[in-house]
Amino acid sequence: QKEVEQDPGPLSVPEGAIVSLNCTYSNSAFQYFMWYRQYSRKGPELLMYTYSSGNKEDGRFTAQVDKSSKYISLFIRDSQPSDSATYLCAMSGISGGSYIPTFGRGTSLIVHP
Amino acid sequence: DAGITQSPRHKVTETGTPVTLRCHQTENHRYMYWYRQDPGHGLRLIHYSYGVKDTDKGEVSDGYSVSRSKTEDFLLTLESATSSQTSVYFCAIRPGSEGDTQYFGPGTRLTVL
Repeated sequence: QKEVEQDPGPLSVPEGAIVSLNCTYSNSAFQYFMWYRQYSRKGPELLMYTYSSGNKEDGRFTAQVDKSSKYISLFIRDSQPSDSATYLCAMSGISGGSYIPTFGRGTSLIVHP
Repeated sequence: DAGITQSPRHKVTETGTPVTLRCHQTENHRYMYWYRQDPGHGLRLIHYSYGVKDTDKGEVSDGYSVSRSKTEDFLLTLESATSSQTSVYFCAIRPGSEGDTQYFGPGTRLTVL
């Protein structure tokens, strides 16, 4: 079992839908949880990060962490075609001070007009 | 824009030749990372640096070496390129002000024939 599991998709939704992207993990030491968006042929860009459990909202995006279930989610409200991209989750804990996140393999999202 | 540039952006080379990729940052962050990204594998850490002349290996370091003689530059060298090293290479920095979040460069697309 990989440390971080993420369904590769693709996930195809109509414009305006609520999108739920998820990752599960096995290492209970993870404390920082990040979501990145990667457009085709571009570098990943940081969307949101949270520390420990709870929710965080930024515009149409909500990140949710459930440490008891070892499960994190990214919700996108009123999805737009411009949201079509690959979404990577990442997580880390302090491990010898190396600060190396563990990435999921990414979920491809397609929002069609 | 995290002030990260990578050069070259595209390169085609032949098996057995040495190749050096450069990552340059403008904000003097201590931590820098080299990843490769391949379909089905996601992002995999090659090497990272935690200061000038301080580097360590990642999960896929075989066939790669790095150097960091200045804070702003992190070089990745393929001593003798092989076709299995055809990939997209991303450099990243860790600002440290937002947990373990990383900011990525635009990537270098390397093809080894």
